[in-house]
Amino acid sequence: DAGVTQSPTHLIKTRGQHVTLRCSPISGHKSVSWYQQVLGQGPQFIFQYYEKEERGRGNFPDRFSARQFPNYSSELNVNALLLGDSALYLCASSLGTPLHFGNGTRLTVT
Amino acid sequence: GNSVTQMEGPVTLSEEAFLTINCTYTATGYPSLFWYVQYPGEGLQLLLKATKADDKGSNKGFEATYRKETTSFHLEKGSVQVSDSAVYFCAQNVFANAGGTSYGKLTFGQGTILTVHP
Repeated sequence: DAGVTQSPTHLIKTRGQHVTLRCSPISGHKSVSWYQQVLGQGPQFIFQYYEKEERGRGNFPDRFSARQFPNYSSELNVNALLLGDSALYLCASSLGTPLHFGNGTRLTVT
Repeated sequence: GNSVTQMEGPVTLSEEAFLTINCTYTATGYPSLFWYVQYPGEGLQLLLKATKADDKGSNKGFEATYRKETTSFHLEKGSVQVSDSAVYFCAQNVFANAGGTSYGKLTFGQGTILTVHP
């Protein structure tokens, strides 16, 4: 079975722009979570979605939003990008615990 | 609040040396505990887990025991290999409530870089 897949793998954006990151969960997994990993730190929780509804949100500004589709894939959107948004964005899917992570999208904001 | 603290790295060892990476946590309640490993350019892979006190998680020669009395989950391996070089993250699963719905989220430590030399 395929693992969690994320696209794109790398992305370069300019301050003020908008970005959309995509995630396909493991087949059968209904929960998708997003994490931000800044270089040299542990991942920080952004969102969790289950059955297309937001279940939880971390301490991130409203510029960050997400949604989950009927096929359980998910998008993370970030508006008005700041330099500090540069990070590895990880998507994880699960049936509960543990979480299974994708390889992430490396976002660089210049 | 809920947090995870790992020993500061980086850790540099020779092949076949003994490895310990310390991890302690603070939590309200009884979290599940995890060790994840991240190889260069990749996402996180689950290494092992423990769901209750005194449980021992093990995988690929790595072990960690859930110690409730010391709120610790230290990672150990008796003989490391060059291929074990990676970043290791300790994490706890915390359940929170939002609008009457509970959800789980992982809280990670800052990570420990391990380099093993031949």
